[in-house]
Amino acid sequence: DTEVTQTPKHLVMGMTNKKSLKCEQHMGHRAMYWYKQKAKKPPELMFVYSYEKLSINESVPSRFSPECPNSSLLNLHLHALQPEDSALYLCASRDLGRKNTEAFFGQGTRLTVV
Amino acid sequence: KQEVTQIPAALSVPEGENLVLNCSFTDSAIYNLQWFRQDPGKGLTSLLLIQSSQREQTSGRLNASLDKSSGRSTLYIAASQPGDSATYLCAVIGTSGSRLTFGEGTQLTVNP
Repeated sequence: DTEVTQTPKHLVMGMTNKKSLKCEQHMGHRAMYWYKQKAKKPPELMFVYSYEKLSINESVPSRFSPECPNSSLLNLHLHALQPEDSALYLCASRDLGRKNTEAFFGQGTRLTVV
Repeated sequence: KQEVTQIPAALSVPEGENLVLNCSFTDSAIYNLQWFRQDPGKGLTSLLLIQSSQREQTSGRLNASLDKSSGRSTLYIAASQPGDSATYLCAVIGTSGSRLTFGEGTQLTVNP
């Protein structure tokens, strides 16, 4: 099973709402990633968790709050977002046990902030 | 800071053509390079992973090469089909950590 599952697939939220994105993998991967992708642009790294600890934060605004409750789950908590935060949010995972390992991506959550 | 560039930005070819997509990176200290495919509005599908010690990887009609010393990779697609139409992204993982750095992608259209 090489699947990374993201829920929900689509989300529309108001600027005062609080919502969460969820990502799950059962491949035993110990690195998990959040990326943001705008239309016709490459994915931009937001956060990396390694062994359930936050290892990279790409100076993301505090209205995005990541959480890694266990080695299979990754959440992204959203609060007081702006319309410019509308994008495709992608989760990925990768094995850290070996150096040369493949990254697997989920299908993404399409977020619209109104 | 690692920078990844992909050329061309867009490519339109008739069905059946063989084609080459290019990826270059500025820092040769990489663990591996990975090629992805992305259909509109969808996630990324992994196509090929080339480890830093490898020169080439093949999967079906796809062949990827890596020249780490010159900072270049190519993705060769043989006998292209309309179903190959998508955006192709390359990404490198550097030896300094877990970061995947992406190129801007090549948007491929294969016309029937």
